[in-house]
Amino acid sequence: AQSVTQLDSHVSVSEGTPVLLRCNYSSSYSPSLFWYVQHPNKGLQLLLKYTSAATLVKGINGFEAEFKKSETSFHLTKPSAHMSDAAEYFCVVSRNAGNMLTFGGGTRLMVKP
Amino acid sequence: EAQVTQNPRYLITVTGKKLTVTCSQNMNHEYMSWYRQDPGLGLRQIYYSMNVEVTDKGDVPEGYKVSRKEKRNFPLILESPSPNQTSLYFCASSLGAGGNYEQYFGPGTRLTVT
Repeated sequence: AQSVTQLDSHVSVSEGTPVLLRCNYSSSYSPSLFWYVQHPNKGLQLLLKYTSAATLVKGINGFEAEFKKSETSFHLTKPSAHMSDAAEYFCVVSRNAGNMLTFGGGTRLMVKP
Repeated sequence: EAQVTQNPRYLITVTGKKLTVTCSQNMNHEYMSWYRQDPGLGLRQIYYSMNVEVTDKGDVPEGYKVSRKEKRNFPLILESPSPNQTSLYFCASSLGAGGNYEQYFGPGTRLTVT
């Protein structure tokens, strides 16, 4: 079994300040982990993925995430928020083989001017 | 342009009236799936398909049917919709199954069942 918990349903930051979106997972095998972003009225777009290579993963638009096996975490960070980052973010865990994708409940990021 | 398309984008219907939401991808992907998105629950997988004529249930298949007669199309069928199927639905495709493959999502279909 696998599960994903996004620890904050809403995060609000000021433009230019750091972003931290938290994700914890549980899995009985070595998982792949993803972050997806969903802008208003749009589909989901892949930000970055971890598939058992480097533990620090860099994605698009300046985002990165660090896989910490001991903490079962995969938090998403960005040094400086931009207004265009306002969106909903989903942490996703997947088996390396098979079809099961499990989504977290989502974190809505708001960026204040 | 590589994309996943869904139709319709918005649909309001009444309880019990059969409906189909179409999904098509132009990337020659083998793997396709349907999700529903509800507030606070993230996305939950309804059905998936590994290839033509190969489909299987996801987490929440009750009340839904799918078919995969062609590689590019994966329609979602609600034979007798009920209000608890009011949701935002996404179709997705990928080159293969499993964690190494990025999912490409359609723009979503917002369904309201009254």
